[in-house]
Amino acid sequence: EDQVTQSPEALRLQEGESSSLNCSYTVSGLRGLFWYRQDPGKGPEFLFTLYSAGEEKEKERLKATLTKKESFLHITAPKPEDSATYLCAVQFSSNTGKLIFGQGTTLQVKP
Amino acid sequence: GAGVSQTPSNKVTEKGKYVELRCDPISGHTALYWYRQSLGQGPEFLIYFQGTGAADDSGLPNDRFFAVRPEGSVSTLKIQRTERGDSAVYLCASSFIPTGELFFGEGSRLTVL
Repeated sequence: EDQVTQSPEALRLQEGESSSLNCSYTVSGLRGLFWYRQDPGKGPEFLFTLYSAGEEKEKERLKATLTKKESFLHITAPKPEDSATYLCAVQFSSNTGKLIFGQGTTLQVKP
Repeated sequence: GAGVSQTPSNKVTEKGKYVELRCDPISGHTALYWYRQSLGQGPEFLIYFQGTGAADDSGLPNDRFFAVRPEGSVSTLKIQRTERGDSAVYLCASSFIPTGELFFGEGSRLTVL
């Protein structure tokens, strides 16, 4: 069965304390891996797309990387406004338009 | 509108009642998706439309759930004989083409008492 697992479930950081979030997946035929940010009471907001192992994408303090079995979202020198739930999702080649989401990592950055 | 619009934002109903949730996608987006999100979980795929037709409805949990998109724009998710387990946030998303880069609405929170 295709699965997406994120760890940790929750992460508390001090402002400026860098860390990484993990997304591991078991799939047959990965078409793409996606990272989203979700604020409380809002819908997910798209951040990155990764298509192949070795690929990296960056946006401000965030960098996403992809290997054959997992992806990392690295957060460098986070600020309180980075506090949110970060969701990972995968799209399979046999299911165009359908995403399988992980359960998310809730990040809290304290000033 | 500028983004995906969902109505109502909140709906409280009694067990056994019928509910309709509406989604107005971004203008020009041909692909439309419905997801369901329970507390502390990631969104769960329900159905995907390409134009007017349901291209993939494999995520609909049972025949009490039905969705339409008659003119290829606005979509309605219909739930018959609601159950307490249907309580969740129902998210709608759209995109220009079938892709994982989705634009989500803020969701409709359904509570079944």
